Amino acid sequence: DTAVSQTPKYLVTQMGNDKSIKCEQNLGHDTMYWYKQDSKKFLKIMFSYNNKELIINETVPNRFSPKSPDKAHLNLHINSLELGDSAVYFCASSPGGWSAYNQPQHFGDGTRLSIL
Amino acid sequence: GQQVMQIPQYQHVQEGEDFTTYCNSSTTLSNIQWYKQRPGGHPVFLIQLVKSGEVKKQKRLTFQFGEAKKNSSLHITATQTTDVGTYFCAGDNYGQNFVFGPGTRLSVLP
Repeated sequence: DTAVSQTPKYLVTQMGNDKSIKCEQNLGHDTMYWYKQDSKKFLKIMFSYNNKELIINETVPNRFSPKSPDKAHLNLHINSLELGDSAVYFCASSPGGWSAYNQPQHFGDGTRLSIL
Repeated sequence: GQQVMQIPQYQHVQEGEDFTTYCNSSTTLSNIQWYKQRPGGHPVFLIQLVKSGEVKKQKRLTFQFGEAKKNSSLHITATQTTDVGTYFCAGDNYGQNFVFGPGTRLSVLP
């Protein structure tokens, strides 16, 4: 019954590896997002997808690539992981519309990524 | 670019005391949202304000949107231990971008 689910919950890996985080929402929403929350709790939007179209990419390194097979899924793939990538990554979704940002967002539980 | 600030960064209160956090944007906003994140949890949507000067209440929580639509506040009356967490405002710059404030971390001492 979870509305926005992310896997895995925890991810511990070595620098230089490639990893993916999966996200699925069963709310029927049109827009999905990825956020990064650093150790100081700053929440920064990374990507959002609306009906499989990327509508924002906030100066995120191209080592990060979102992949959306359908509107219920938005996965995050990260290449060549670096120490600074350690953070909590949250997936979220919202009903969307002409402006995705005027709708409440529903967040997943987060994926805690630790780079050794 | 758009910046959203919040004060205070931290607030410690005794249970039963009131609490207020303030949110200020460098640009005019089309709407502002408030979220609460419990320790170890994820942000949870609380409310959205759209109109200039709007005031909304949810039980002990009162939310205001400034007349110029550049600032907002969240006031909690008679805090309880269940109010512990970080409160974030997030501003929508007419669809251009969506920025979270740095949050105010609230501790409530029983």
